[in-house]
Amino acid sequence: GQNIDQPTEMTATEGAIVQINCTYQTSGFNGLFWYQQHAGEAPTFLSYNVLDGLEEKGRFSSFLSRSKGYSYLLLKELQMKDSASYLCAVRDTGGSGYSTLTFGKGTMLLVSP
Amino acid sequence: DTAVSQTPKYLVTQMGNDKSIKCEQNLGHDTMYWYKQDSKKFLKIMFSYNNKELIINETVPNRFSPKSPDKAHLNLHINSLELGDSAVYFCASSTGNMAGKNTIYFGEGSWLTVV
Repeated sequence: GQNIDQPTEMTATEGAIVQINCTYQTSGFNGLFWYQQHAGEAPTFLSYNVLDGLEEKGRFSSFLSRSKGYSYLLLKELQMKDSASYLCAVRDTGGSGYSTLTFGKGTMLLVSP
Repeated sequence: DTAVSQTPKYLVTQMGNDKSIKCEQNLGHDTMYWYKQDSKKFLKIMFSYNNKELIINETVPNRFSPKSPDKAHLNLHINSLELGDSAVYFCASSTGNMAGKNTIYFGEGSWLTVV
């Protein structure tokens, strides 16, 4: 099975930087993803890590440490539109050979003026 | 234009009824999924099909029966609806083995309310 933990809620101010942490335990790790989900909408893909280190994509960066089972999503220059739920998801290749994506419970980020 | 589309978007129905949600993808993917997101926003996989074959079934009650007539469609039929079935149901698709950066793409969700 898998266990994915991330904080339930975070708040930050417009223009600031926020880091959302995620820890996981899995047996067949095959990649870590971050998704963004605005209220009433579908989750949308943000970032992907499979090797240790930092992946940067504009205002968003994601970091992975496989040995620690740890990832974070870093959001810079926060904007009001960044208020959303951020979902950490681990891809795992099971015995069947097929990969599945398991989601954490999401971190609700509220950006205030 | 829509990559993963599902209907209906909103569904309000009474306990005990049977209902279906349809899903279609035009991405050329061969794997499709149903996820359930409950009131606490926890997104959990229910089923996965690869080329019309069931490959994942996550201990979902027998009242839920997925059907995949072809690899571009995956429908979800729910019998004898219960209050606890109220949730958002997301259809999704991916390439066969989600290798590398390939990930899953979600439909817009179907909001099911059982009263």
